Amino acid sequence: KQEVTQIPAALSVPEGENLVLNCSFTDSAIYNLQWFRQDPGKGLTSLLLIQSSQREQTSGRLNASLDKSSGRSTLYIAASQPGDSATYLCAVYSGAGSYQLTFGKGTKLSVIP
Amino acid sequence: EAGVAQSPRYKIIEKRQSVAFWCNPISGHATLYWYQQILGQGPKLLIQFQNNGVVDDSQLPKDRFSAERLKGVDSTLKIQPAKLEDSAVYLCASSSVTPPGGTQYFGPGTRLLVL
Repeated sequence: KQEVTQIPAALSVPEGENLVLNCSFTDSAIYNLQWFRQDPGKGLTSLLLIQSSQREQTSGRLNASLDKSSGRSTLYIAASQPGDSATYLCAVYSGAGSYQLTFGKGTKLSVIP
Repeated sequence: EAGVAQSPRYKIIEKRQSVAFWCNPISGHATLYWYQQILGQGPKLLIQFQNNGVVDDSQLPKDRFSAERLKGVDSTLKIQPAKLEDSAVYLCASSSVTPPGGTQYFGPGTRLLVL
């Protein structure tokens, strides 16, 4: 059974700092890995999707890396802004015959002005 | 492009009552998902539809939960009877990509409180 762990559970940084969020998964036989953002009272917004054959994806100030063999991914946020404050969720698409997304519990990020 | 629509946004019921949630996916998206997100946890897949057929309902508590997607468009998720532990946010998502893979687009969710 796939398990996804995110560290830290919460993070508070001053505006302008670069930061890294960590994600690990137990079964390396994944189809892809996705990072989502969740704002309070709202649904999830997809940020980045990394196929299992890829090493990283970039979108604006966000960069996600994937090391499938070690079961790890990192989300790097450059020059953080107060608007980046949200919960960030990592999810892996895996399973044999019945693929599904397995989510971590998330990292709650607060960027202090 | 309109996003995934869900209603109601909030619902408060007493245990043993029944409740239903509605989801309208993005137009043209054949794949539809229902997730349960308990406070402090990540979403957990309950059921996955491809058009109007069930692809995966292995984590759906079938003694009390049911879901349907008639005509392959909108979907309803029902709980009967509700238990205290069903208090959660119920998220609907859709995708234009046939599983596996592909970006899922989430609705705002329905927050359920069972008293």
